[in-house]
Amino acid sequence: EVQLVESGGGLVKPGGSLRLSCAASGFTFSSYSMNWVRQAPGKGLEWVSSVTSNSNYIYYADSVKGRFTISRDNAKNSLYLQMDSLRAEDTAVYYCARDTGSGWSYYDYWGQGTLVTVSS
Amino acid sequence: ETVLTQSPATLSLSPGERATLSCRASQSVSSSLAWYQQKPGQAPRLLIYDASNRATGIPARFSGSGSGTDFTLTISSLEPEDFAVYYCQQRSNWPPAFGPGTKVDIK
Repeated sequence: EVQLVESGGGLVKPGGSLRLSCAASGFTFSSYSMNWVRQAPGKGLEWVSSVTSNSNYIYYADSVKGRFTISRDNAKNSLYLQMDSLRAEDTAVYYCARDTGSGWSYYDYWGQGTLVTVSS
Repeated sequence: ETVLTQSPATLSLSPGERATLSCRASQSVSSSLAWYQQKPGQAPRLLIYDASNRATGIPARFSGSGSGTDFTLTISSLEPEDFAVYYCQQRSNWPPAFGPGTKVDIK
């Protein structure tokens, strides 16, 4: 069974940093591109970032480019999102999602999400 | 940037009725469109990909159609568990984007 479990969310002040993790199991993690997708409270879905299976290609939404860094460790079956210079508008549930293709494709499995709240 | 518009914003129907949801793209996305279902407090679930292909385990009452800029998700006969928010998503043009969603609620 495919499982994605996010962790690392919490309350952080504007300008602060947070690192999210996603632990994957039930599939060959190293064969899939992975993504972060977020959802602000009561709002819709927003793609944040993608990384290909071997980390050769990395993509970011303009809204987070230069502030967020996606990475993965295939030996640990884990995906990460380092979030720096956080803003109030980054407040959201962050989902880890498996890609069906080679990056920024469709998302066939999702974690349960981790809530990030940016507030003073 | 491709903008997706979904209509209606809310659809109020009874169990057993047919639901027809629309997604329109600001420019052609060919057939590179997916539909997701999200229930309160849950992660989204992939229903349809490439406009008309059902994802693994999705019941046959869900069907998708369309190409270019106009797409439709049809639920042939609503089950109680189908009342949820539905999002379309395109992967044809950079950046990938979701529509604002259509809420299907119980009439």
